[in-house]
Amino acid sequence: AQKITQTQPGMFVQEKEAVTLDCTYDTSDPSYGLFWYKQPSSGEMIFLIYQGSYDQQNATEGRYSLNFQKARKSANLVISASQLGDSAMYFCAMREGNAGGTSYGKLTFGQGTILTVHP
Amino acid sequence: DADVTQTPRNRITKTGKRIMLECSQTKGHDRMYWYRQDPGLGLQLIYYSFDVKDINKGEISDGYSVSRQAQAKFSLSLESAIPNQTALYFCATSGDGATDTQYFGPGTRLTVL
Repeated sequence: AQKITQTQPGMFVQEKEAVTLDCTYDTSDPSYGLFWYKQPSSGEMIFLIYQGSYDQQNATEGRYSLNFQKARKSANLVISASQLGDSAMYFCAMREGNAGGTSYGKLTFGQGTILTVHP
Repeated sequence: DADVTQTPRNRITKTGKRIMLECSQTKGHDRMYWYRQDPGLGLQLIYYSFDVKDINKGEISDGYSVSRQAQAKFSLSLESAIPNQTALYFCATSGDGATDTQYFGPGTRLTVL
């Protein structure tokens, strides 16, 4: 079974609108972390936001927020007030296990969602 | 200066050639990783290292080898390159804290003809 599933190959949004990128995950480990990365056309991987499995509140970083629904095993990225520069590929990733323990910190990535922001 | 650097940024080589990709980091992290990204896909882990003496295979290690020369340096080698190793290669580093984010280098675009 896929550990990280991003069901939206492509999304379109109007500039200044909000957009939600979906991510569901599968793990039996009680301790895990969820990450979102942005990959613009230039290719680099840019870290956006992190949510820990034990975090009580949804993570926020500027215009990015993570809608974490633990029971549903979903970790959707919400981008508010979209900008043209937000056009990129977005990856959801999961790290299982206790990062301070025996886990090697491997990230499992989803297939990605291409976001296009229209002016 | 970038915290994680990779050299070369682009490389074209021929089938059967040996090639080395290098990664350096100034973040002081112990953990380093090599990933591969095929066009339109997510990243797959090739090798990872917890420290200089600890190197482990990832999901797709066949055809690759690595060397951890120092805490700050982690090299990936393709002993005999083949065309299906054409991909974008990323090095990443992380601390070993409870919320360790992986920070990625800029990537190396490798083409094997």
